[in-house]
Amino acid sequence: KAGVTQTPRYLIKTRGQQVTLSCSPISGHRSVSWYQQTPGQGLQFLFEYFSETQRNKGNFPGRFSGRQFSNSRSEMNVSTLELGDSALYLCASSLGTGVGNEQFFGPGTRLTVL
Amino acid sequence: GQSLEQPSEVTAVEGAIVQINCTYQTSGFYGLSWYQQHDGGAPTFLSYNALDGLEETGRFSSFLSRSDSYGYLLLQELQMKDSASYFCAVKYRDDKIIFGKGTRLHILP
Repeated sequence: KAGVTQTPRYLIKTRGQQVTLSCSPISGHRSVSWYQQTPGQGLQFLFEYFSETQRNKGNFPGRFSGRQFSNSRSEMNVSTLELGDSALYLCASSLGTGVGNEQFFGPGTRLTVL
Repeated sequence: GQSLEQPSEVTAVEGAIVQINCTYQTSGFYGLSWYQQHDGGAPTFLSYNALDGLEETGRFSSFLSRSDSYGYLLLQELQMKDSASYFCAVKYRDDKIIFGKGTRLHILP
């Protein structure tokens, strides 16, 4: 069974631009969560989608948004990029929000904002 | 708010045993997980505890005490490949998952 895939793996943008990241979960998994990882803050929860609905949202500004499609694939968008948005963005999939706590992470997208 | 505390770094010797602690805020607690992340890699799931006690998986064990809002990850017979960052993560009843900032494990030969 294929793992979680994320595209692109690396991205360089400039301040003020917007970016869209994509995540394909493990087949059969309906929950997709997004995290931002930086050296200083560790893993910070962005949001979670389940069956095309946002179930939870972390403490990030409205510039960060996401969506999930009927095939469970998910995208996250960051508008008006700031230097501080440079980070590794990880998505994780799981069977469902109420089933244990095991999340399977993708390799991440390394975003650099210049 | 909901936050987790774990040491930022731990150093141990190859072949030894090391324990990484994690304390969390009790309100709404549902379960505690542990993840391992090697440099440049993605976090991988190690264990999950929802009830008090010890869960053992090979050289790794995880313990939970709900009354003390505390858990730990125990790594035995340390190998150089265990050098990595270890994250505890708590799932709360509102389905949010909060990660600790991670413990960097250094293993000396």
